Amino acid sequence: AQSVTQLGSHVSVSEGALVLLRCNYSSSVPPYLFWYVQYPNQGLQLLLKYTSAATLVKGINGFEAEFKKSETSFHLTKPSAHMSDAAEYFCAVSHGGGSEKLVFGKGTKLTVNP
Amino acid sequence: GAVVSQHPSWVICKSGTSVKIECRSLDFQATTMFWYRQFPKQSLMLMATSNEGSKATYEQGVEKDKFLINHASLTLSTLTVTSAHPEDSSFYICSASSVDRVSNEAFFGQGTRLTVV
Repeated sequence: AQSVTQLGSHVSVSEGALVLLRCNYSSSVPPYLFWYVQYPNQGLQLLLKYTSAATLVKGINGFEAEFKKSETSFHLTKPSAHMSDAAEYFCAVSHGGGSEKLVFGKGTKLTVNP
Repeated sequence: GAVVSQHPSWVICKSGTSVKIECRSLDFQATTMFWYRQFPKQSLMLMATSNEGSKATYEQGVEKDKFLINHASLTLSTLTVTSAHPEDSSFYICSASSVDRVSNEAFFGQGTRLTVV
């Protein structure tokens, strides 16, 4: 069985500060890992995904994540937070790519303070 | 990325009535569609997986007779909440994927906010 743990249901940063959202996964097979962003009352937008290629994955809006097998982690970072980054972020894992179901973490709400 | 359109974006219905939610892939053929449910301030929980032309596979604990899923074509899947009750009020999100796409990822609809009164 696969599972995802997102440490911290709420993260608050100042504008311009580093953003770090933590995600740890559990999977019995090599995982595919994803980060999604959700704005209020909207669907999910893919930020980036890990599919066993490069361990450092760059996504949209300046976000990136590093796959660390030894730590079973896939933390999301952004060097400098922007007000528009305020949203809910979900880490997810699957056996395969888009053709497989996703198991989501509980989400982390990011607040960006001016 | 590909576009998945979900309709309606919000709906209010009376207890005991049925509600149909549509999920359309607008620019690709979706061999697989997923339906998720999201309670307030919680994560997405998979309800069912549907492949075009075959019966949906429901997750444990999801009533298949209450949440009817139809995936009759490669661009359309529908979720019907039958005899809706207030506890069915939630945010429902679909996603669609195709093994034929190079990106091999699932694309999400905008979600449907269902309120049962």
